[in-house]
Amino acid sequence: SYELTQPPSVSVSPGQTARITCSGDALPKQYSYWYQQKPGQAPVLVIYKDSERPSGIPERFSGSSSGTTVTLTISGVQAEDEADYYCQSADSSGSYHVVFGGGTKLTVL
Amino acid sequence: QVQLVESGGGVVQPGRSLRLSCAASGFTFSSYGMHWVRQAPGKGLEWVTFISFDGGNEHYADSVKGRFTISRDNSKNTLYLQMNSLRAEDTAVYYCAKDELGVADYWGQGTLVTVSS
Repeated sequence: SYELTQPPSVSVSPGQTARITCSGDALPKQYSYWYQQKPGQAPVLVIYKDSERPSGIPERFSGSSSGTTVTLTISGVQAEDEADYYCQSADSSGSYHVVFGGGTKLTVL
Repeated sequence: QVQLVESGGGVVQPGRSLRLSCAASGFTFSSYGMHWVRQAPGKGLEWVTFISFDGGNEHYADSVKGRFTISRDNSKNTLYLQMNSLRAEDTAVYYCAKDELGVADYWGQGTLVTVSS
């Protein structure tokens, strides 16, 4: 089955830049999406179609894509950005399967 | 504003059934596909199933295929998940989410399903 691979954790100090990667063979052919989830809350979409930002999401959140890896970048990290982040894409084999990465815990030191 | 409210969760014994509901408001429900996504305690997100705007197409994760059925009633703005032959590994918070061209752009707060004897 298709998999997306994320690092389990990333740590940064306030004001620094956090980069969270997500790798998968189908990423060159399928859009990627990123969700933020804080404890006890539902996920919130922060990036869609690799690099688009929904309304209401701060400009410090950005996305990029290169080959089989996509990256969520949070510039000028704030304490409130501490959360779990999940990438999402789809299988490109022709069958309909939505796939999530395993999630990355962002810790703001 | 978009609002999704799940209900129907609870404690159920292995092998039994449960039906979840998701009441939608704030958007034209009949125009959008919908997802169910679950999250086991302390674990990541797992996509479960999708239904098209008119109910004509359904897709399932291999882990639930043949046991779970997604459906919708557009006259009631409500999404359903019928879960049969439940297993301990189905224990999770179940979220419904609105689809926008392949992405779950709005999520409900979830309902907890615990499968235990």
